[in-house]
Amino acid sequence: EPEVTQTPSHQVTQMGQEVILRCVPISNHLYFYWYRQILGQKVEFLVSFYNNEISEKSEIFDDQFSVERPDGSNFTLKIRSTKLEDSAMYFCASILSPYEQYFGPGTRLTVT
Amino acid sequence: KNQVEQSPQSLIILEGKNCTLQCNYTVSPFSNLRWYKQDTGRGPVSLTIMTFSENTKSNGRYTATLDADTKQSSLHITASQLSDSASYICVVTVILISGTYKYIFGTGTRLKVLA
Repeated sequence: EPEVTQTPSHQVTQMGQEVILRCVPISNHLYFYWYRQILGQKVEFLVSFYNNEISEKSEIFDDQFSVERPDGSNFTLKIRSTKLEDSAMYFCASILSPYEQYFGPGTRLTVT
Repeated sequence: KNQVEQSPQSLIILEGKNCTLQCNYTVSPFSNLRWYKQDTGRGPVSLTIMTFSENTKSNGRYTATLDADTKQSSLHITASQLSDSASYICVVTVILISGTYKYIFGTGTRLKVLA
């Protein structure tokens, strides 16, 4: 069965450093999403991406965040200058239609 | 404001027992509703998905119901197993004017099944 993959599984970084979280969506999917989940809290929408551009972003997705699909397969989330409060699980998801959304296993980001 | 509320927040049951989790939503325009199971530290995994015209959907021991009039859904778990211990998340899909989709997540119910 096709699956969404994410790397790394765990990233530890110092405050102020840049991090890039990587996702490989399912190959024929068209819509891509990033979510985050702070420990013990609910999943929060960050950004959606379609046709090589951002289609919607939440208030969380400020100028410190960016997304791109550099090579037609990988889908990346960059945080330019990490803050302590960026520590969370980051999930990538991809869909072909609203009836088929698949989540990746997540990247645990720890900012120290 | 688009919101999805779930209850109870947490639930403890004995193995073999049944349980029902609730989801109320105020989302418009509604496209579909999903229930996900999320094990600790893992990504959500879809259990069921229902459109507004569907009242019930089963997936093994999981049965979801939807009342689009009252904007309520439930997830019933039959004959619970230890492996059912997880968070269960209700997610409602909204189709935006742009044609893209937005997913509104509920707060989740944390289920613990005891031997």
